[in-house]
Amino acid sequence: QKEVEQNSGPLSVPEGAIASLNCTYSDRGSQSFFWYRQYSGKSPELIMFIYSNGDKEDGRFTAQLNKASQYVSLLIRDSQPSDSATYLCAAANAGKSTFGDGTTLTVKP
Amino acid sequence: DAGVIQSPRHEVTEMGQEVTLRCKPISGHNSLFWYRQTMMRGLELLIYFNNNVPIDDSGMPEDRFSAKMPNASFSTLKIQPSEPRDSAVYFCASSKRTGLPAPGANVLTFGAGSRLTVL
Repeated sequence: QKEVEQNSGPLSVPEGAIASLNCTYSDRGSQSFFWYRQYSGKSPELIMFIYSNGDKEDGRFTAQLNKASQYVSLLIRDSQPSDSATYLCAAANAGKSTFGDGTTLTVKP
Repeated sequence: DAGVIQSPRHEVTEMGQEVTLRCKPISGHNSLFWYRQTMMRGLELLIYFNNNVPIDDSGMPEDRFSAKMPNASFSTLKIQPSEPRDSAVYFCASSKRTGLPAPGANVLTFGAGSRLTVL
């Protein structure tokens, strides 16, 4: 079992819909959690981080963390074609980040 | 800030040759990471340094791989001898590491990557 597991995908949603991405982690020592976006042929870039239980909103993005369930999610509201990318979930323990395999999202116009 | 700078961007070499990948982290970042990305295995952590000291090299696949960080602004990842299964994109990333979660802490900034093809 991988330390960080994500929906295998791919995930396809129509433009304007809500995209929901999920992630579970196994290391209970993980303190910080990150969502990175990676466009094809590019490097990962940070979308959001979260380290407290609950929700954190930033524009169209909402990250959710439930440490008891070891679960992290990312909601993308009003999805746009430009959101089409692979989304990587990462869990960090003592500064070391472990990544899931990513979920590929396609937003269809 | 120029971000994390990696070179070369592309490398094509023959099996058995030595490969050296280079990385310049963001000034002020105290942690540096080398990741490898393939379709089959995703993004794997190879090694990371904190304040130029290697902290965890458990992800280095074999003795053929070695990494150094002689100073705060430069790191290398060397593969000798290279094999076709080493073909991948190698990312360098840096961060400002703190012991406790805090806004912006431990956020990785990635370089553009070095795409290695071993024939």
